[in-house]
Amino acid sequence: AQKVTQAQTEISVVEKEDVTLDCVYETRDTTYYLFWYKQPPSGELVFLIRRNSFDEQNEISGRYSWNFQKSTSSFNFTITASQVVDSAVYFCALSEAEAGGTSYGKLTFGQGTILTVHP
Amino acid sequence: DADVTQTPRNRITKTGKRIMLECSQTKGHDRMYWYRQDPGLGLQLIYYSFDVKDINKGEISDGYSVSRQAQAKFSLSLESAIPNQTALYFCATSDWPGAQGEQETQYFGPGTRLLVL
Repeated sequence: AQKVTQAQTEISVVEKEDVTLDCVYETRDTTYYLFWYKQPPSGELVFLIRRNSFDEQNEISGRYSWNFQKSTSSFNFTITASQVVDSAVYFCALSEAEAGGTSYGKLTFGQGTILTVHP
Repeated sequence: DADVTQTPRNRITKTGKRIMLECSQTKGHDRMYWYRQDPGLGLQLIYYSFDVKDINKGEISDGYSVSRQAQAKFSLSLESAIPNQTALYFCATSDWPGAQGEQETQYFGPGTRLLVL
């Protein structure tokens, strides 16, 4: 069965520090998809990124960057120069897929990492 | 207007009562999902539906039922609410992967906070 582990329950940083949120996953499938979602204090879930198992290129979007390494089954998320508005719970999630790439459509979530950025 | 709406946003009920949480979407997606969030446990899948006639159980379906009234509407019912069903409930939608088979992204509603006394 698939599993996602976010070992960091809570992280506290001071504004402008860089912070990395870890995500380790387990799956028996060769085709799968990885996601990061942000849950701000208001409670909604905001989609941040999707990555498929065939694409190991790292991605950067503004202050956000993601490091996908299949060799270590990790999909880590880094926020550069953190800001108070980054304070939220961050979830990593995994979806398995058929060999042809069609997803089974079900997400398995990690437990989440609570990030607090202090001014 | 939000693409995925949930009603009610907050609900307090008593043990043994039947309640329904509703989800509507304007994204035109075929797939809809219900998740439950408990502190420290992430989100767990309750039920999912790939179209109006295709409904499937998720990881934690016991004590819940669903109805897919239309492509745009997916309701979750607690037949006889109990206190350990107190949680934050999310509805999500996603599009059919299509011929390329690429994983779709799930978009979430704002959530319903349910308290069972």
